[in-house]
Amino acid sequence: DAKTTQPTSMDCAEGRAANLPCNHSTISGNEYVYWYRQIHSQGPQYIIHGLKNNETNEMASLIITEDRKSSTLILPHATLRDTAVYYCIVRKQGGSEKLVFGKGTKLTVNP
Amino acid sequence: SQTIHQWPATLVQPVGSPLSLECTVEGTSNPNLYWYRQAAGRGLQLLFYSVGIGQISSEVPQNLSASRPQDRQFILSSKKLLLSDSGFYLCAWSVGTVNSPLHFGNGTRLTVT
Repeated sequence: DAKTTQPTSMDCAEGRAANLPCNHSTISGNEYVYWYRQIHSQGPQYIIHGLKNNETNEMASLIITEDRKSSTLILPHATLRDTAVYYCIVRKQGGSEKLVFGKGTKLTVNP
Repeated sequence: SQTIHQWPATLVQPVGSPLSLECTVEGTSNPNLYWYRQAAGRGLQLLFYSVGIGQISSEVPQNLSASRPQDRQFILSSKKLLLSDSGFYLCAWSVGTVNSPLHFGNGTRLTVT
């Protein structure tokens, strides 16, 4: 079973920052937080992952609280193409550890 | 760069017919390979994963099987399809290092009629 809790849906205005929260209160010290998104009828797309430090790449920023019990994915300037289901996943450290997907957050970016 | 190929993109098969979906990865060696399924309106479910040739781990008992005849080839099969096998099948790969992300293909949408 998924070990994360996310809101079912969120809305965001185009051009504004989208902040997607995730609770993972039972996370262990050797577990990473991963974010993926799935645009309708496509395969999931990797966005970012982190252990305890905040991370940033060309797609998004990941903010992890100090106690690691929650995190926030930030899309700094949302576009209509960012409309998708966003999955927050806790994954054990290891080369072949699998991803267990929950239900995710349906983000709708409105014009 | 690494790429993953899945085919076919869509497939309609009658109940009781066999199934073979193929996935290949290019640009990397000894990847970890995964098969996921997404039923209509539901989340992604891991079906099989493989860390090497001939090494297959099954996550759930079902009407499907997987094989890895070559390092970068992963095949999902069934001898007799059921209606409940309909869904969106996704292949993914990762390199065999700590915390390498999984990268997914574009999927095969299977409809069993």
